[in-house]
Amino acid sequence: EAGVAQSPRYKIIEKRQSVAFWCNPISGHATLYWYQQILGQGPKLLIQFQNNGVVDDSQLPKDRFSAERLKGVDSTLKIQPAKLEDSAVYLCASSPSSTGGFNEQFFGPGTRLTVL
Amino acid sequence: DQQVKQNSPSLSVQEGRISILNCDYTNSMFDYFLWYKKYPAEGPTFLISISSIKDKNEDGRFTVFLNKSAKHLSLHIVPSQPGDSAVYFCAAIANSGYALNFGKGTSLLVTP
Repeated sequence: EAGVAQSPRYKIIEKRQSVAFWCNPISGHATLYWYQQILGQGPKLLIQFQNNGVVDDSQLPKDRFSAERLKGVDSTLKIQPAKLEDSAVYLCASSPSSTGGFNEQFFGPGTRLTVL
Repeated sequence: DQQVKQNSPSLSVQEGRISILNCDYTNSMFDYFLWYKKYPAEGPTFLISISSIKDKNEDGRFTVFLNKSAKHLSLHIVPSQPGDSAVYFCAAIANSGYALNFGKGTSLLVTP
């Protein structure tokens, strides 16, 4: 079974530029998550999709971050414009569960963003 | 507000000995706890979990203990192997929500 795919793996941009990340979840997984992991911290949820609808985006900085999940499969996360504090690893995860409670989340390798 | 806390940033253990990684939480609504393992340049991978109705769950060399009254859980690895060297994240989830709440992680180094 193929895992969660993410691209690019690394990205370096200057502040105020825009950037987009792509995620392809495990086939058939209904739920998709984007996490931000700042160096020395644990992953923090940015947004959660259930199929192509948003379940939780309470921690997404909506003035600069946006995300969509096309046709309930692939997802893109965009930052526009980027700030220095956005430097982090952006992790995508998916899970087969469509309800709350325990669900094992499968993580992709992440995209390491450096904002100069 | 950090609801899941891993107060030891790093731990070094000799091969063959026991590794004990600790985790504390503050939210009494958490009812499922998970441990994830992360190697450099890879995403976290699920290791073991425990429901709040249990106080112990074992899977091979890995055992997780939960003390609900103390809001504390621990991961025991016995015997430790060099391949266990990684960052271990404690995570918790509440049945009323969906998101995993992660601690900051503990970097485990198992030396030969």
